[in-house]
Amino acid sequence: DQQVKQNSPSLSVQEGRISILNCDYTNSMFDYFLWYKKYPAEGPTFLISISSIKDKNEDGRFTVFLNKSAKHLSLHIVPSQPGDSAVYFCAASDTDKLIFGTGTRLQVFP
Amino acid sequence: DAGVIQSPRHEVTEMGQEVTLRCKPISGHDYLFWYRQTMMRGLELLIYFNNNVPIDDSGMPEDRFSAKMPNASFSTLKIQPSEPRDSAVYFCASSPGTAFNYGYTFGSGTRLTVV
Repeated sequence: DQQVKQNSPSLSVQEGRISILNCDYTNSMFDYFLWYKKYPAEGPTFLISISSIKDKNEDGRFTVFLNKSAKHLSLHIVPSQPGDSAVYFCAASDTDKLIFGTGTRLQVFP
Repeated sequence: DAGVIQSPRHEVTEMGQEVTLRCKPISGHDYLFWYRQTMMRGLELLIYFNNNVPIDDSGMPEDRFSAKMPNASFSTLKIQPSEPRDSAVYFCASSPGTAFNYGYTFGSGTRLTVV
């Protein structure tokens, strides 16, 4: 009964290319979506968010797209850099708590 | 501010023993969350507090798990008795509110291994 799903456990991208990480959710009442980035032996850190009233939010190299009808969001990283190699978690807000997905491990190679 | 502080960083214990994980949230943050990270389920919410009061503990897997927040600067997550399937990384996070433009601030986690 995973409400937030990241179906790709891993992704490998060449430096300079675009990385696209995907996330699906089941609850149409979610009103805010976030992406977190996690390096080994560290806690997740907030990366970017989007409200359900928007379909796009951009912050530098990072853009999040929201498709409410499909209950799908994606994170685009352009251009990808080796320092972007990490685990990325998608999260959705449910009242006053966040529901996280299982994560996608991104590896950016030279 | 030193951020969210968790201790210990690593814990190895034998099955059946009691384990206590500790968390100091960021000063002024009203919300505290305990998450568990596993490969299968990702980051799973166990319990959260608002102003030291437990609000939702529906994610606590069994009665073996308990959490307390005796004051605004300290929380514990206890497992008694521990089992090998409890092995995971446990994260504490705090937040100043529920407006999600804040996001949460996570601690560095406690890696628990039960043998």
